[in-house]
Amino acid sequence: EIVLTQSPGTLSLSPGERATLSCRASQSVSSSYLAWYQQKPGQAPRLLIYGASSRATGIPDRFSGSGSGTDFTLTISRLEPEDFAVYYCQQYGSSPPLFTFGPGTKVDIK
Amino acid sequence: QVQLQESGPGLVKPSGTLSLTCAVSGGSISSSNWWSWVRQPPGKGLEWIGEIYHSGSTNYNPSLKSRVTISVDKSKNQFSLKLSSVTAADTAVYYCARESVDIPTGYYYMDVWGKGTTVTVSS
Repeated sequence: EIVLTQSPGTLSLSPGERATLSCRASQSVSSSYLAWYQQKPGQAPRLLIYGASSRATGIPDRFSGSGSGTDFTLTISRLEPEDFAVYYCQQYGSSPPLFTFGPGTKVDIK
Repeated sequence: QVQLQESGPGLVKPSGTLSLTCAVSGGSISSSNWWSWVRQPPGKGLEWIGEIYHSGSTNYNPSLKSRVTISVDKSKNQFSLKLSSVTAADTAVYYCARESVDIPTGYYYMDVWGKGTTVTVSS
């Protein structure tokens, strides 16, 4: 089973600042199967990035994803008030459990 | 635009069976998508439970496999989750989600989610 680790656990930043979130896998993950989700309190997760670097429909271009192998990054170039949330990385593998999620990074207001 | 809506009892007794349904609207469950269940215990992260294709093929998380059954009802355009022998540890928000693949690239992701339904296991 591939284990995803996210860091930091919490990121305290101000609006307008740049956020860099890390997702590390216990073994190599195909970039095709690495996604990022945003979750706000009381809401379902929302797909942000798929294929490690492709933005989902309607996602602003301040969100970008990069990485390969075992190290992936989600970057929010300039934080807007609505970006303060929890972010999860997810990978899809070939053997069960087919989907695994990282523990999440909370981006909160400094 | 496809929408998903979970429904089912919000309270289940310990050792009982949790039963939830996910209704698919705005699209067909018989499309070329797999359909997943994901749960989130209070204050914790996301856990994939399992998936189903409209043919009835399923895959489950090994950690829950002995207790989980996911089924599909094409006539009602919905799929369901049953989790048996529940304990307090199964208390969570349960989400259903659509899996999609980007054909040219093979990118795979969950692009449509229900709002979630809270299930509490308590006597």
